[in-house]
Amino acid sequence: QVQLQASGPGLVKPSQTLSLTCNVSGGSISSGGFFWNWIRQRPGKGLEYIGYIFDSGSTYYKPSLRSRVSISADTSKNQFSLNMRSLSAADTAVYYCARGGLQALDYWGLGVLVTVSS
Amino acid sequence: EIVLTQSPDTLSLSPGQRATLSCRASQSVGSALAWYQQKPGQAPRLLIYGASDRATGIPGRFSGSGSGTDFTLTINSLESEDFAIYFCQQHSDWPRTFGQGTNVEIK
Repeated sequence: QVQLQASGPGLVKPSQTLSLTCNVSGGSISSGGFFWNWIRQRPGKGLEYIGYIFDSGSTYYKPSLRSRVSISADTSKNQFSLNMRSLSAADTAVYYCARGGLQALDYWGLGVLVTVSS
Repeated sequence: EIVLTQSPDTLSLSPGQRATLSCRASQSVGSALAWYQQKPGQAPRLLIYGASDRATGIPGRFSGSGSGTDFTLTINSLESEDFAIYFCQQHSDWPRTFGQGTNVEIK
């Protein structure tokens, strides 16, 4: 059974950089042809797709976030990470990591609430 | 990007009743449509992918249908654990996009 667990700071100051890590167990992020994704959910809102890393190298970012976001992977630790720069209050959200193929997102980690506030 | 619009926003039903949820895409996604269930404080759980394929472990009372731009999630005979928010998501194009959600609440 694949399990994902996201971790990171719960509070970040405006203009700073957010760094979140998703630890994966029960499967390797460097095999199987899966996409390793980040999604967020702002308070009271729907789900917003951020981006993925595939095969520990290829990445894709939602165009509106592309200038501020990067996703990387550490295969030795079987984890992948999200970096988001120049945060504002609008980035306050629960951040989820999830596994997906060309189809849906089949395994999700528990979300991490990130609050952007001074 | 593809916009998904769900209806209704809220569905008030009693246990044992049937729930019918709709998701409409701004352009054709073929059969590349998934449905998720989310309960408070939990991550979304995949129910349906490919418009009509049930994910592993999902009960048979959940079924999906549709293609192109119009999709339906049906929950036959609602059970107490089914009251939750349901999201659709297209997996046809990037970026993946989600509907705004339908809240299935107890009447």
